[in-house]
Amino acid sequence: GESVGLHLPTLSVQEGDNSIINCAYSNSASDYFIWYKQESGKGPQFIIDIRSNMDKRQGQRVTVLLNKTVKHLSLQIAATQPGDSAVYFCAERNYGGSQGNLIFGKGTKLSVKP
Amino acid sequence: DADVTQTPRNRITKTGKRIMLECSQTKGHDRMYWYRQDPGLGLRLIYYSFDVKDINKGEISDGYSVSRQAQAKFSLSLESAIPNQTALYFCATSDVDTEDLYGYTFGSGTRLTVV
Repeated sequence: GESVGLHLPTLSVQEGDNSIINCAYSNSASDYFIWYKQESGKGPQFIIDIRSNMDKRQGQRVTVLLNKTVKHLSLQIAATQPGDSAVYFCAERNYGGSQGNLIFGKGTKLSVKP
Repeated sequence: DADVTQTPRNRITKTGKRIMLECSQTKGHDRMYWYRQDPGLGLRLIYYSFDVKDINKGEISDGYSVSRQAQAKFSLSLESAIPNQTALYFCATSDVDTEDLYGYTFGSGTRLTVV
């Protein structure tokens, strides 16, 4: 079946370094992708999104890259800070099915070392 | 006040008990969702509702039921709680017109423990 997954379940980086979190998706018909951040004790929060007609989108300290050829999504965080420590989820929009329109990956935990 | 409010935040209940988790939103969104989160399994969709008269089963609806009492309220019930329903539950909302701009808005979650 269709799935969204992550290459690395945990990632540990030094404060100030750049972080890259990866996500693989399997549905070539997905047209919209989102990255969410979930801090401990909180619900997921929208970080950045990208449509399938784009290959790169930048926000404040974050960049999302989309490679449709290999069905790969990545989130880059520049100058990682302790406040970036959280679990990061990718999600793809794929209409219909029992998973609803938005299908979530399993998450990557990012730990930032001071 | 939070845009999406879930109550209670934490709950411990006994096996076999009926329990209701409530969700209310002030965003005016038409779509509401209930997800379950377990370690290593990510977010799994239980039920979703695209408007007051629309209820749809998600990936893992067995053992759960929902009620969309109003546009702003969507409750999740466990008819007879069992220990493997111990999890973190999230309510989420979205708007059909802005879903591809802002995605879903999530509540802070309800941590449910069934003993």
